[in-house]
Amino acid sequence: EIVMTQSPATLSVSPGERATLSCRASQSVSSNLAWYQQKPGQAPSLLIYGASTRATGIPARFSGSGSGTEFTLTISSLQSEDFAVYYCQQYNNWPLTFGQGAKVEIK
Amino acid sequence: EVQLVESGGGLVQPGGSLRLSCAASGFSFNNYGMTWVRQAPGKGLEWVSSIGTAGISTHYTDSVRGRFTISRDNSKNTLYLQMNSLRAEDTAVYYCAKKGMTVPSYNWFDPWGQGTLVTVSS
Repeated sequence: EIVMTQSPATLSVSPGERATLSCRASQSVSSNLAWYQQKPGQAPSLLIYGASTRATGIPARFSGSGSGTEFTLTISSLQSEDFAVYYCQQYNNWPLTFGQGAKVEIK
Repeated sequence: EVQLVESGGGLVQPGGSLRLSCAASGFSFNNYGMTWVRQAPGKGLEWVSSIGTAGISTHYTDSVRGRFTISRDNSKNTLYLQMNSLRAEDTAVYYCAKKGMTVPSYNWFDPWGQGTLVTVSS
């Protein structure tokens, strides 16, 4: 099983600032990585797939990068609606696995 | 608009069974693989099971293999998860989700349903 490790667990950021979240895979997943956002009481929603392709309707302030074992989700200028928990997910191998989540909170 | 609506959750005793359903609309259900993902209270996301378009190809996480069965009825646009021998650690919100693309190996999910809560307790 591929273990996905996200860091930091919690990121405190002021609105308008940049946020950078990391996701590390225990073995290469190529570019087969997705990012999801989950707000309290809501289902997760897709942000990024293929490590760097924004899903339909996702603002350009969200960007993904990386390949192999190291990946990054960057939110260039945090808006109030971006404070949430973010998960990475690898789909290179079965079983599919998620990171433990990273919470972006208001500083 | 794509919609996924889960149902069938509830309170069940350890060792009991439940069948979850996910009614899909707004897309060609028979063209997309589907998946179940769960989230224990206050915890992260855990992939549970996925199924291919024809219902022949299935995958399970180790902790549910042999106890849970994923299936689909393309004539009813519905995904199912039969859960047997339930344990306390199966307590979670169960989400169904649609694969983002029809390509078999592209196993990211979009969108997700609102979830249904399964509580296993005596």
